[in-house]
Amino acid sequence: NAGVMQNPRHLVRRRGQEARLRCSPVKGHSHVYWYRQLPEEGLKFMVYLQKENIIDESGMPKERFSAEFPKEGPSILRIQQVVRGDSAAYFCASSPALKAGFYEQYFGPGTRLTVT
Amino acid sequence: EDQVTQSPEALRLQEGESSSLNCSYTVSGLRGLFWYRQDPGKGPEFLFTLYSAGEEKEKERLKATLTKKESFLHITAPKPEDSATYLCAVQAWGDSNYQLIWGAGTKLIIKP
Repeated sequence: NAGVMQNPRHLVRRRGQEARLRCSPVKGHSHVYWYRQLPEEGLKFMVYLQKENIIDESGMPKERFSAEFPKEGPSILRIQQVVRGDSAAYFCASSPALKAGFYEQYFGPGTRLTVT
Repeated sequence: EDQVTQSPEALRLQEGESSSLNCSYTVSGLRGLFWYRQDPGKGPEFLFTLYSAGEEKEKERLKATLTKKESFLHITAPKPEDSATYLCAVQAWGDSNYQLIWGAGTKLIIKP
């Protein structure tokens, strides 16, 4: 009964490099959400994806950040030309398909990105 | 603007000393309120969902309640392993009804 998996758990990048964060949702979940958490702060919504579709990216910076959830494989959050301010914990969550009701989101362990 | 405020920011209790955490919210229309627990270095762990005022849910030493303005997470006779940050989030009716609006959390420390 695998939950949400994220890798890597820790990632160190120098300024200007690219960071790729991967998320495999709970088996059977078709909705993926990415959040960012800064120390001592709450979670901030970044992007919501379904398979092959970005539904809402309103919380994601327009430059340098992109996300995808392909038909096959994990969801990827990509940060180009990282800066020190990108240092944070990035969490992925998944939920089943939303029908008449809605479902709680289940979180992965996070990827801690450090930009040096 | 939809908003979630949690209090206190931090709470230190002796083992066995019961208390409550507060989550106040302002949303245009509440679809659901969620409680999560987060341990250091880990992702949030789902605890409860509450949908309507008057609803209560329990799990071991935790009990969550909901009114039209706030939710309480009551902790009865806590143990050191209950130490964690407790997060509250709300989901509102509307076009972006999948979004969770999060509070900053209450850091709970239970001393043996």
